[in-house]
Amino acid sequence: EDKVVQSPLSLVVHEGDTVTLNCSYEVTNFRSLLWYKQEKKAPTFLFMLTSSGIEKKSGRLSSILDKKELFSILNITATQTGDSAVYLCAVCSNSGYALNFGKGTSLLVTP
Amino acid sequence: EPEVTQTPSHQVTQMGQEVILRCVPISNHLYFYWYRQILGQKVEFLVSFYNNEISEKSEIFDDQFSVERPDGSNFTLKIRSTKLEDSAMYFCASISGYYGYTFGSGTRLTVV
Repeated sequence: EDKVVQSPLSLVVHEGDTVTLNCSYEVTNFRSLLWYKQEKKAPTFLFMLTSSGIEKKSGRLSSILDKKELFSILNITATQTGDSAVYLCAVCSNSGYALNFGKGTSLLVTP
Repeated sequence: EPEVTQTPSHQVTQMGQEVILRCVPISNHLYFYWYRQILGQKVEFLVSFYNNEISEKSEIFDDQFSVERPDGSNFTLKIRSTKLEDSAMYFCASISGYYGYTFGSGTRLTVV
């Protein structure tokens, strides 16, 4: 059975801190790994990773994939209160484009 | 930026009633999906739809559920005879080819 495991499940940090969110997976026929930010409602797309070792960056957020060790990390530097959200990791396998989500990491950034 | 639109945003229904959740995917997208998220749990895949037919479905998507694309724009999820455990946020999503999904803002279904 395919699995996506995120850690930690929740995290509280102060503004300005750097955080690292983890996602490990076991899927057959891996295609891609995606990160999403979920605030009140719909998940919003952050990154899609398909190749090992290539860092994707967007502002203060970055992510990298290790296909040998089957994990990905999402880094957020200089955190702001607006970064408070649930961060979702999802894996897409070649069996279709359906996404298998982890339970998410709930991040709270305090002023 | 193109959006996936879902209506209604919140629906309350009595147990045993049928509900239809509606979605307007992004116009040039080819693949359409329904996911659900029970409160406090992870987002779960229900069904994917391509070329006017179901291409993949999960174990959750049993005979109680059906999907349709009744015209060129709408994509619907019907739940027959709703149960209490169907209470969840239902997300529609669409993609064009291989690239990242766009999710709608969701319909919160409450079965009482």
